[in-house]
Amino acid sequence: ALTQSPATLSLSPGERAVLSCRASQSVGGSLAWFQQRPGQAPRLLIFDTSNRATGIPARFSGSGSGTDFTLTISSLEPEDFAIYYCQQCNEWPPGFTFGPGTKVDL
Amino acid sequence: EVQLVESGGGVVQPGGSLRLSCAASGFTFEDYAMHWVRQAPGKGLEWVSLISGDGGGTFYGDSMKGRFTISRDNRKDSLYLQMNSLRPEDTALYYCVRGGVVITTTFGHWGQGALVSVSS
Repeated sequence: ALTQSPATLSLSPGERAVLSCRASQSVGGSLAWFQQRPGQAPRLLIFDTSNRATGIPARFSGSGSGTDFTLTISSLEPEDFAIYYCQQCNEWPPGFTFGPGTKVDL
Repeated sequence: EVQLVESGGGVVQPGGSLRLSCAASGFTFEDYAMHWVRQAPGKGLEWVSLISGDGGGTFYGDSMKGRFTISRDNRKDSLYLQMNSLRPEDTALYYCVRGGVVITTTFGHWGQGALVSVSS
């Protein structure tokens, strides 16, 4: 299971956002982060803990290991106000789990 | 450009069946694992099912086992989800998602979703 904190993060444009994801057991390096804007499909931001997906701005960064992971947005842009989900995969049998999400609010 | 277009959503009574389809383009379909991921109204994301690129491996989330069947037709670049014994709690937007060449790779590309409503 994955837990995310805080549930809601209220910030202003230009501020730094730090989102936390904690796993109930070690997930190795296979943690990903997704952004979902209202009315849109989720979008992959970070894979394998710290690798930005194609086209993702450098203000997004991921870190962590074992059971504790962090998504950092260095300086919030207006389009960054959204819900962020972390996700991990069991090796075998494959099973994919999402965290409950963190809403970054204006 | 990767495109995933879902179809087949609709309203169905509890206990009924529905088949979702996903038309894929912009990549070599048979090379990639494919998934269905769902999102109930106002709720978070839930992984539904995975199928390997050659269709030989299929995996399901716990609440879907025995009721849902994932399949693909690599000649038609299409993914399917047969849903039987539907329950009100299956009401959700169902996304077709491209995985990776390795089946444990995360969800790289998402469709816009097909809405399924289970209600009497």
